[in-house]
Amino acid sequence: RKEVEQDPGPFNVPEGATVAFNCTYSNSASQSFFWYRQDCRKEPKLLMSVYSSGNEDGRFTAQLNRASQYISLLIRDSKLSDSATYLCVANQGGKLIFGQGTELSVKP
Amino acid sequence: EPEVTQTPSHQVTQMGQEVILRCVPISNHLYFYWYRQILGQKVEFLVSFYNNEISEKSEIFDDQFSVERPDGSNFTLKIRSTKLEDSAMYFCASSVDRGIPEAFFGQGTRLTVV
Repeated sequence: RKEVEQDPGPFNVPEGATVAFNCTYSNSASQSFFWYRQDCRKEPKLLMSVYSSGNEDGRFTAQLNRASQYISLLIRDSKLSDSATYLCVANQGGKLIFGQGTELSVKP
Repeated sequence: EPEVTQTPSHQVTQMGQEVILRCVPISNHLYFYWYRQILGQKVEFLVSFYNNEISEKSEIFDDQFSVERPDGSNFTLKIRSTKLEDSAMYFCASSVDRGIPEAFFGQGTRLTVV
Protein backbone atom coordinates (compact mmCIF):
# COMPACT_ATOMS: atom_id res chain seq x y z
CA ARG A 1 0.00 0.00 0.00
CA LYS A 2 1.31 3.46 -0.87
CA GLU A 3 2.21 5.57 2.15
CA VAL A 4 0.47 8.64 0.75
CA GLU A 5 -2.21 8.13 -1.82
CA GLN A 6 -3.99 10.83 -3.80
CA ASP A 7 -6.90 11.11 -6.18
CA PRO A 8 -5.83 10.27 -9.70
CA GLY A 9 -5.93 13.25 -12.06
CA PRO A 10 -6.14 15.20 -14.12
CA PHE A 11 -8.88 17.52 -12.92
CA ASN A 12 -10.05 19.86 -15.66
CA VAL A 13 -12.21 22.68 -14.32
CA PRO A 14 -13.44 26.07 -15.58
CA GLU A 15 -12.28 29.29 -13.99
CA GLY A 16 -14.26 30.11 -10.87
CA ALA A 17 -15.01 26.49 -10.04
CA THR A 18 -14.49 24.91 -6.67
CA VAL A 19 -12.29 21.84 -6.70
CA ALA A 20 -11.45 19.36 -3.96
CA PHE A 21 -8.50 17.01 -3.68
CA ASN A 22 -8.38 14.03 -1.38
CA CYS A 23 -5.47 12.20 0.14
CA THR A 24 -5.07 9.25 2.49
CA TYR A 25 -2.02 8.16 4.43
CA SER A 26 -1.17 4.77 5.85
CA ASN A 27 1.37 5.55 8.58
CA SER A 28 -0.44 6.75 11.69
CA ALA A 29 2.91 7.92 13.09
CA SER A 30 2.94 10.77 10.57
CA GLN A 31 3.15 13.90 12.66
CA SER A 32 2.06 16.63 10.32
CA PHE A 33 0.93 17.18 6.80
CA PHE A 34 1.34 19.65 3.99
CA TRP A 35 0.08 20.53 0.60
CA TYR A 36 2.73 21.52 -1.92
CA ARG A 37 2.19 22.62 -5.47
CA GLN A 38 4.52 21.75 -8.29
CA ASP A 39 4.58 23.43 -11.65
CA CYS A 40 5.87 21.44 -14.61
CA ARG A 41 9.52 20.48 -14.09
CA LYS A 42 9.89 22.88 -11.19
CA GLU A 43 10.50 22.44 -7.48
CA PRO A 44 7.69 21.69 -5.02
CA LYS A 45 6.52 24.86 -3.31
CA LEU A 46 4.83 24.84 0.07
CA LEU A 47 1.19 25.81 -0.29
CA MET A 48 0.00 25.27 3.25
CA SER A 49 0.51 23.21 6.36
CA VAL A 50 -2.22 21.06 7.89
CA TYR A 51 -1.56 20.44 11.57
CA SER A 52 -4.70 19.57 13.46
CA SER A 53 -8.26 20.39 12.59
CA GLY A 54 -7.26 22.08 9.38
CA ASN A 55 -6.74 25.64 8.27
CA GLU A 56 -7.73 28.21 5.70
CA ASP A 57 -5.61 30.57 3.65
CA GLY A 58 -7.63 32.77 1.32
CA ARG A 59 -9.24 30.57 -1.32
CA PHE A 60 -7.56 27.45 0.04
CA THR A 61 -8.86 25.27 2.87
CA ALA A 62 -7.11 22.16 4.13
CA GLN A 63 -8.70 19.60 6.44
CA LEU A 64 -7.19 16.73 8.39
CA ASN A 65 -9.07 13.76 9.85
CA ARG A 66 -6.62 11.69 11.88
CA ALA A 67 -9.18 9.03 12.71
CA SER A 68 -9.74 8.32 9.02
CA GLN A 69 -6.14 9.17 8.05
CA TYR A 70 -7.55 11.51 5.44
CA ILE A 71 -6.51 14.96 4.24
CA SER A 72 -8.27 17.26 1.82
CA LEU A 73 -7.61 20.49 -0.02
CA LEU A 74 -10.40 22.72 -1.26
CA ILE A 75 -9.74 25.47 -3.77
CA ARG A 76 -12.53 28.00 -4.23
CA ASP A 77 -12.95 30.40 -7.17
CA SER A 78 -10.15 28.69 -9.09
CA LYS A 79 -7.86 30.83 -11.25
CA LEU A 80 -5.91 29.99 -14.37
CA SER A 81 -2.76 30.36 -12.26
CA ASP A 82 -3.89 27.52 -9.99
CA SER A 83 -3.07 25.06 -12.79
CA ALA A 84 -0.36 22.83 -11.35
CA THR A 85 0.16 19.46 -9.68
CA TYR A 86 -0.88 19.37 -6.04
CA LEU A 87 1.18 17.16 -3.77
CA CYS A 88 -0.07 15.73 -0.51
CA VAL A 89 2.84 15.30 1.88
CA ALA A 90 3.23 13.58 5.26
CA ASN A 91 5.99 14.47 7.69
CA GLN A 92 7.64 11.56 9.48
CA GLY A 93 10.23 13.00 11.83
CA GLY A 94 11.38 15.60 9.32
CA LYS A 95 11.35 13.20 6.39
CA LEU A 96 8.68 14.19 3.87
CA ILE A 97 6.70 11.44 2.18
CA PHE A 98 5.08 12.64 -1.02
CA GLY A 99 2.00 11.43 -2.79
CA GLN A 100 2.00 10.98 -6.52
CA GLY A 101 0.26 14.31 -6.99
CA THR A 102 -2.97 15.37 -8.64
CA GLU A 103 -2.82 17.49 -11.75
CA LEU A 104 -5.20 20.45 -11.95
CA SER A 105 -5.92 22.28 -15.16
CA VAL A 106 -8.08 25.41 -14.92
CA LYS A 107 -9.53 26.48 -18.25
CA PRO A 108 -10.90 29.91 -19.27
CA GLU B 1 13.06 36.32 0.41
CA PRO B 2 15.72 33.75 1.36
CA GLU B 3 15.85 30.71 -0.86
CA VAL B 4 17.66 27.45 -1.40
CA THR B 5 19.96 27.62 -4.40
CA GLN B 6 21.29 24.69 -6.39
CA THR B 7 23.98 24.35 -9.01
CA PRO B 8 24.19 23.35 -11.75
CA SER B 9 20.63 23.53 -13.05
CA HIS B 10 21.38 20.78 -15.57
CA GLN B 11 24.18 18.23 -15.61
CA VAL B 12 24.85 15.70 -18.33
CA THR B 13 27.30 12.96 -17.49
CA GLN B 14 28.49 9.71 -18.95
CA MET B 15 27.56 6.45 -17.28
CA GLY B 16 30.18 5.46 -14.73
CA GLN B 17 31.29 9.02 -14.00
CA GLU B 18 31.03 10.77 -10.66
CA VAL B 19 28.91 13.89 -10.21
CA ILE B 20 28.64 16.41 -7.40
CA LEU B 21 25.46 18.38 -6.99
CA ARG B 22 25.69 21.54 -4.95
CA CYS B 23 23.23 23.33 -2.74
CA VAL B 24 23.24 26.40 -0.53
CA PRO B 25 20.49 26.03 2.07
CA ILE B 26 18.72 28.94 3.70
CA SER B 27 21.20 30.45 6.16
CA ASN B 28 19.39 29.96 9.49
CA HIS B 29 18.12 26.48 8.66
CA LEU B 30 19.54 23.50 10.53
CA TYR B 31 18.17 20.50 8.63
CA PHE B 32 19.14 19.70 5.07
CA TYR B 33 17.72 17.15 2.68
CA TRP B 34 18.12 15.65 -0.72
CA TYR B 35 15.15 14.36 -2.68
CA ARG B 36 14.91 13.08 -6.20
CA GLN B 37 12.13 12.88 -8.76
CA ILE B 38 12.40 10.57 -11.74
CA LEU B 39 10.45 11.97 -14.68
CA GLY B 40 6.75 11.22 -14.29
CA GLN B 41 7.15 9.81 -10.79
CA LYS B 42 6.72 11.12 -7.26
CA VAL B 43 9.26 13.02 -5.22
CA GLU B 44 11.31 10.55 -3.14
CA PHE B 45 13.31 11.17 0.03
CA LEU B 46 17.00 10.34 -0.18
CA VAL B 47 18.70 11.65 2.94
CA SER B 48 18.46 14.12 5.80
CA PHE B 49 21.45 15.82 7.42
CA TYR B 50 21.78 17.57 10.74
CA ASN B 51 24.71 18.70 12.84
CA ASN B 52 27.20 17.49 10.24
CA GLU B 53 25.93 13.97 10.05
CA ILE B 54 23.27 11.93 8.31
CA SER B 55 20.16 11.68 10.48
CA GLU B 56 18.18 9.42 8.19
CA LYS B 57 18.54 7.86 4.76
CA SER B 58 16.28 5.89 2.45
CA GLU B 59 16.89 2.55 0.77
CA ILE B 60 17.75 4.45 -2.40
CA PHE B 61 20.69 6.13 -0.64
CA ASP B 62 23.18 3.29 -0.90
CA ASP B 63 26.99 3.33 -1.01
CA GLN B 64 26.87 5.02 -4.39
CA PHE B 65 25.71 8.22 -2.68
CA SER B 66 27.31 10.48 -0.13
CA VAL B 67 26.60 13.91 1.32
CA GLU B 68 28.87 16.51 2.80
CA ARG B 69 28.80 19.97 4.24
CA PRO B 70 32.31 21.06 3.31
CA ASP B 71 31.96 24.57 4.70
CA GLY B 72 29.43 26.71 6.51
CA SER B 73 27.21 27.28 3.51
CA ASN B 74 27.37 24.46 0.95
CA PHE B 75 25.69 21.08 1.10
CA THR B 76 26.66 18.56 -1.56
CA LEU B 77 25.40 15.27 -2.93
CA LYS B 78 27.98 13.05 -4.60
CA ILE B 79 26.91 10.22 -6.85
CA ARG B 80 29.68 7.79 -7.74
CA SER B 81 29.71 5.60 -10.81
CA THR B 82 26.47 6.98 -12.21
CA LYS B 83 23.94 4.66 -13.85
CA LEU B 84 21.30 5.42 -16.46
CA GLU B 85 18.61 5.03 -13.80
CA ASP B 86 20.16 7.86 -11.76
CA SER B 87 18.75 10.27 -14.34
CA ALA B 88 16.30 12.41 -12.40
CA MET B 89 15.65 15.81 -10.93
CA TYR B 90 17.51 16.20 -7.65
CA PHE B 91 16.10 18.66 -5.16
CA CYS B 92 17.86 20.05 -2.14
CA ALA B 93 15.69 21.29 0.71
CA SER B 94 16.17 22.83 4.11
CA SER B 95 14.06 23.44 7.18
CA VAL B 96 14.53 25.51 10.30
CA ASP B 97 14.25 22.58 12.67
CA ARG B 98 12.74 19.11 12.87
CA GLY B 99 10.05 20.60 15.10
CA ILE B 100 9.23 23.10 12.37
CA PRO B 101 9.37 20.75 9.44
CA GLU B 102 8.19 22.99 6.63
CA ALA B 103 10.86 22.38 4.03
CA PHE B 104 11.81 24.79 1.30
CA PHE B 105 13.12 23.39 -1.92
CA GLY B 106 15.75 24.57 -4.34
CA GLN B 107 14.98 24.77 -8.03
CA GLY B 108 16.60 21.40 -8.63
CA THR B 109 19.40 19.93 -10.71
CA ARG B 110 18.34 17.89 -13.69
CA LEU B 111 20.83 15.03 -13.99
CA THR B 112 20.97 13.18 -17.27
CA VAL B 113 23.17 10.10 -17.46
CA VAL B 114 24.00 9.00 -21.00
